[in-house]
Amino acid sequence: QTVVTQEPSFSVSPGGTVTLTCGLTSGSVSSDYHPSWYQETPGQAPRTLIYSTNSRSSGVPDRFSGSILENKAALTITGAQADDECDYYCVLYMGNGISVFGGGTKLTVL
Amino acid sequence: QLQLQESGPGLVKPSETLSLTCTVSGGSISSSFDYWGWIRQPPGKGLQWIGNIFHTGSAYYNPSLKSRLSVSVDTSKNQFSLTLSSVTAADTAVYYCARQLRSGMYHFDYWGQGTLVTVSS
Repeated sequence: QTVVTQEPSFSVSPGGTVTLTCGLTSGSVSSDYHPSWYQETPGQAPRTLIYSTNSRSSGVPDRFSGSILENKAALTITGAQADDECDYYCVLYMGNGISVFGGGTKLTVL
Repeated sequence: QLQLQESGPGLVKPSETLSLTCTVSGGSISSSFDYWGWIRQPPGKGLQWIGNIFHTGSAYYNPSLKSRLSVSVDTSKNQFSLTLSSVTAADTAVYYCARQLRSGMYHFDYWGQGTLVTVSS
């Protein structure tokens, strides 16, 4: 069964830059998987940040960016702010209607 | 503005069937070429894709849930539904419905607010 991997946790200093990744236990991630990224804060529905690898969703600040790095999808936050501290999830589209979420990354800003 | 709203019982007994409905407003399911999906999040855990349905009724399921799962659509009511049979405590979660765009994008752009379903006797 396909497993999508994410770092369980990451820490960044305020104003710093952090890159979260989204990989596969078997194989490489490419744009063909249409990677998307979601931000989740407690008590709220997930918010779409990035879709189709590197397209920013409406209203998302340009300090959030997506890319493919070393066979993984990547979410980079430049100039991290305190309210960026939350959980981040990636989703890969496997084709034939099937999507898989990564396990999520808990980001700490301190 | 598209809106999605989940509805259904908040408490289900073990071994029984969980049933939820998502009502879509601000747009028509039947005129959409997109997927309509279900995602859940158990307490303290990550998000899990459950399944999708297209307005024609073609459905796609998470392999780990497929044997217990059914997703259906009622275009006359602009709703789609989820039924999960033989539930256990492991099915306790916040359940979200969402629209998943197709047309080369395949991301979830509109979400319901989520509804907590607890499996307990």
